[in-house]
Amino acid sequence: EVQLVQSGAEVKKPGESLKISCKGSGYNFTTYWIGWVRQMPGKGLEWMGVIYPGDFKIRYSPSFRGQVTVSADTSISTAYLQWSNLKASDTAIYYCTKHAVPDPYFYQHMDVWGKGTTVTVSS
Amino acid sequence: ETVLTQSPGTLSLSPGERATLSCRASQSVSSPYLAWYQHKPGQAPRLLIYGASSRATGIPDRFSASGSGTDFTLTISRLEPEDFALYYCHQYGRSPFTFGQGTKLEI
Repeated sequence: EVQLVQSGAEVKKPGESLKISCKGSGYNFTTYWIGWVRQMPGKGLEWMGVIYPGDFKIRYSPSFRGQVTVSADTSISTAYLQWSNLKASDTAIYYCTKHAVPDPYFYQHMDVWGKGTTVTVSS
Repeated sequence: ETVLTQSPGTLSLSPGERATLSCRASQSVSSPYLAWYQHKPGQAPRLLIYGASSRATGIPDRFSASGSGTDFTLTISRLEPEDFALYYCHQYGRSPFTFGQGTKLEI
C-alpha cells in the first residue's frame, strides 16, 4: 500500500526554525514528484512546491519561494519542508502529496496525500 | 497564475439528490489538467477525478466530471451521507498549480 506518513504536530515561537517530514512507502520514492500543500485555519488549499527525488529538481510556487525549503533524502525515502524564521502566519496544516505517475514530467495530478502536520506558531 | 473560482460556495442538499459543482478558470486549463478532491475535516484530501473526467481508483460511479477550456463540472448523481464534505478543483497544467476556494456540500 502506498503511504505518506508525516511527522507530528509542532508548536513553535516566531523566529524559530522548523523542519517537518514526510516518509513515503510502498512505491519507488525516487521516481515520483513529492510536494507540499498548505491549509491555513479556515482556508482552502495552497500548492507550495515539489521535488523530484530522482534528480532533486525543485519547483516552487512564487508565493512560497524564499519562504520555505523543500528537500528530500532518498536513502530514507523522506521529503522535508523547512523554515528558518517562522512567523505567526505560518500557522497551518501542511500536507505532503505525491504525483501520480513515475516520471520526471512535472505536470501531473496528485494521487496520494499524507494526513497533514499541524504547525502552530505563537509567542 | 491560474485562478480557479468554484460555485456555489455552499450547496445544501439531501441524500439521494443530485449535486452539481462548478469550477471556472481564469485562463484555459492545458490538456485539460484538472482534478477534483474531496476533503473531510481531520482527513487527507481524496482524489476523485483527474484529467477533467477520469475517475480515480475506487471512486464510485455516482461521481462524474466534465469540462474543458475554462469551465468544469463535478456531478454527484445520488448523494450518499458520506458525500457531504468540501470539494476542491485543482489545475496542474500551468505552474504554479492552483486550487479553487472550495465548495462545501452540506445536508
